Amino acid sequence: AQKITQTQPGMFVQEKEAVTLDCTYDTSDPSYGLFWYKQPSSGEMIFLIYQGSYDQQNATEGRYSLNFQKARKSANLVISASQLGDSAMYFCAMRGIKAAGNKLTFGGGTRVLVKP
Amino acid sequence: DVKVTQSSRYLVKRTGEKVFLECVQDMDHENMFWYRQDPGLGLRLIYFSYDVKMKEKGDIPEGYSVSREKKERFSLILESASTNQTSMYLCASSLRKGRDYNSPLHFGNGTRLTVT
Repeated sequence: AQKITQTQPGMFVQEKEAVTLDCTYDTSDPSYGLFWYKQPSSGEMIFLIYQGSYDQQNATEGRYSLNFQKARKSANLVISASQLGDSAMYFCAMRGIKAAGNKLTFGGGTRVLVKP
Repeated sequence: DVKVTQSSRYLVKRTGEKVFLECVQDMDHENMFWYRQDPGLGLRLIYFSYDVKMKEKGDIPEGYSVSREKKERFSLILESASTNQTSMYLCASSLRKGRDYNSPLHFGNGTRLTVT
């Protein structure tokens, strides 16, 4: 079974500052992928960044970076230089090699509000 | 860019009606998924399909069926809509590679269904 835990239900961040969103996971799969998604109030789910379980380097995509610590089973998302448009729900998710259909399992999400 | 299009943004239906939610993707993806999203329950997988005419049950298939007659189209069917099926429905697709677990899901904008 796969489980994703996001312990921060909501947080405020000042515009232009960095913010770290926590994500821990539990799986028995030997290989898996970790993903972060952004969901603005409009509802669409936007893919942000991916980290593979065997990747040696932390993933980066523009202002997004993933702090992957495999031994701790954590995959925190760092958003640098926050912008007002970053206000949204953020979901951590994973797909494991053994999961039926390689389904994507989501955490409960963290709501981020960027203050001007 | 991957485009996943859901036919309706908002739908209001009556209890007992048969409801069709349509989803089309334009990136020749093999895998397609239907999720529902509810406050406090997060995102839950209803059905998925990894090929034309193939379907697999997700975590909450009861009360739903699906159809995949063409690769690009995946339909979710509520045979007899009930009020507890009022929810946000999200369709997604992903490329089927040798290792599915590192392929991100790309989501549509969602359909907010209200059953009265």
